[in-house]
Amino acid sequence: DSGVTQTPKHLITATGQRVTLRCSPRSGDLSVYWYQQSLDQGLQFLIHYYNGEERAKGNILERFSAQQFPDLHSELNLSSLELGDSALYFCASSVVDVGGNEKLFFGSGTQLSVL
Amino acid sequence: AQSVAQPEDQVNVAEGNPLTVKCTYSVSGNPYLFWYVQYPNRGLQFLLKYITGDNLVKGSYGFEAEFNKSQTSFHLKKPSALVSDSALYFCAVRDLGGGADGLTFGKGTHLIIQP
Repeated sequence: DSGVTQTPKHLITATGQRVTLRCSPRSGDLSVYWYQQSLDQGLQFLIHYYNGEERAKGNILERFSAQQFPDLHSELNLSSLELGDSALYFCASSVVDVGGNEKLFFGSGTQLSVL
Repeated sequence: AQSVAQPEDQVNVAEGNPLTVKCTYSVSGNPYLFWYVQYPNRGLQFLLKYITGDNLVKGSYGFEAEFNKSQTSFHLKKPSALVSDSALYFCAVRDLGGGADGLTFGKGTHLIIQP
């Protein structure tokens, strides 16, 4: 168990709908990263938050947004869903060790199916 | 920009034989390299990382990886494969001089260990 919790584990919805995926990082971790894993694109970085602030954006669509709350949990909002948004969405939190090296811990993911 | 290539979608190895999963990378600065493993219905688990120092890095479950700067490679190895090593393996890179972007992952290699 990585200590990173993602809910729900599975989500089935229809095209055009909006969903929210939730991530609780490991206790004390300030960073949350979101990744999308699909068969054709592999694992793609979406967005990074650190202590409530957006730090970096990757291949995230404008229909997607995220935020990190004061208690450090994060939500990924996906709207106007399309069939191609079906994927496994991971979040990861990170810790920086005494040597300044960052290590990511991944949640088990949310499997999104858009029908 | 940073990128990772895992040239093999699948690697088949007989139990007890040595295994190698290939990875090449591209970064503008010095690389920060990782291997992660994903078991079915689970998140990614950290195996090992390279930052600086010895080119041969030892990680979890008997895995090791060899950093080769001239070939820009970071191949994952294990001297004697176990059936339980069967999983999806991801190589990832981050530019040490980069900002807050997440890791860039390869598309993954399915490792199948045959009894």
